[in-house]
Amino acid sequence: NAGVTQTPKFQVLKTGQSMTLQCAQDMNHEYMSWYRQDPGMGLRLIHYSVGAGITDQGEVPNGYNVSRSTTEDFPLRLLSAAPSQTSVYFCASSPHMGQGWGQRGRYGYTFGSGTRLTVV
Amino acid sequence: GNSVTQMEGPVTLSEEAFLTINCTYTATGYPSLFWYVQYPGEGLQLLLKATKADDKGSNKGFEATYRKETTSFHLEKGSVQVSDSAVYFCALSSSQAGTALIFGKGTTLSVSS
Repeated sequence: NAGVTQTPKFQVLKTGQSMTLQCAQDMNHEYMSWYRQDPGMGLRLIHYSVGAGITDQGEVPNGYNVSRSTTEDFPLRLLSAAPSQTSVYFCASSPHMGQGWGQRGRYGYTFGSGTRLTVV
Repeated sequence: GNSVTQMEGPVTLSEEAFLTINCTYTATGYPSLFWYVQYPGEGLQLLLKATKADDKGSNKGFEATYRKETTSFHLEKGSVQVSDSAVYFCALSSSQAGTALIFGKGTTLSVSS
């Protein structure tokens, strides 16, 4: 089925370990983004990309890296995990259609099912 | 700046009760407004949207009207079901917000039979 696929669904890390959260979409969406969801905080944007080779920081980028080598994939890397990074992570994508925020605004975003990460 | 404020939950209702979840926003320009729903253990799903003032979004019996004069986008449903139990997020998308969706903190709805 078409959509946004995130792996793994669950992960436990020790403080200081590194890992990559995977995100792939098969809808040819140009725009992709990573959010984290914490109790009482809603969703906060970590990083986003408007196309292959282009990434930018969101509201809470520290401790995370991203790259976008293909339209389909947008992995999120935790460089040295900390307990403060315990959260649920969501990847989201949207059509870009070369007309910027207006089209994304009208179409909304498609979300993956999330990765629940615990750092001990 | 751009922000979204939702009523705090949890909201607890009996089946067939009327639902209102309040959402107000602050934004420059002309944002698009959304309601997303998150069922337990799942990701967010787009429930409905409105892209200009006075538009009404509707889906699955839920409705919300884009009110520019009161900067509001309240979610309503006339008769809730147990299956509507979920977390509901109000969000906006604006050219002034760059590329991001700005979310409220979410409102948990619990419906009992």
